[in-house]
Amino acid sequence: GQNIDQPTEMTATEGAIVQINCTYQTSGFNGLFWYQQHAGEAPTFLSYNVLDGLEEKGRFSSFLSRSKGYSYLLLKELQMKDSASYLCAVSTTNAGKSTFGDGTTLTVKP
Amino acid sequence: NAGVTQTPKFRVLKTGQSMTLLCAQDMNHEYMYWYRQDPGMGLRLIHYSVGEGTTAKGEVPDGYNVSRLKKQNFLLGLESAAPSQTSVYFCASSFDSGRAAMNTEAFFGQGTRLTVV
Repeated sequence: GQNIDQPTEMTATEGAIVQINCTYQTSGFNGLFWYQQHAGEAPTFLSYNVLDGLEEKGRFSSFLSRSKGYSYLLLKELQMKDSASYLCAVSTTNAGKSTFGDGTTLTVKP
Repeated sequence: NAGVTQTPKFRVLKTGQSMTLLCAQDMNHEYMYWYRQDPGMGLRLIHYSVGEGTTAKGEVPDGYNVSRLKKQNFLLGLESAAPSQTSVYFCASSFDSGRAAMNTEAFFGQGTRLTVV
């Protein structure tokens, strides 16, 4: 089976930096996805890490350590529109399936 | 380009009724998935398909059936709805990268809010 842990809630201030952690235990690991989900909407893709290291995409970066079973999503220069749920999803070699964590609800305050 | 389209968007069922949720994608993706999402929880995989004519069970398949008669469509059926199936259902699709060591991101439909009373 797979076990994915991420914090339930986080709060940060507009303009600040926030790091959302995700730890996992799995077999057949084939990469880790981060998705953003605004309330009442569908998840949308943010990043995918399959090798160790940092992937940067504008204000968002994602890091992976396969040996530690650990990833984080880093959001810089926070904006009010970044208030959303952030889902960590571990992908396996089996037909492209992903197992999702319960999500971290981020609230950005002025 | 519509992406992934789910119908209906909302539905209320009585316990014991049946219904089918339709998912259509126009991106020629091989893989399709049905997830459910309950309050405060992540997405849980119900069933998935790796290609036309194929289906497989996910984490929570009981009480659901699926079919993929055409590559672009993936149907989720509830034969006898129960209150425990009240949830938001998301369909998703992704393409096969052709490389075992690399998966691709999923594209999601807008969801179906189902209430069983």
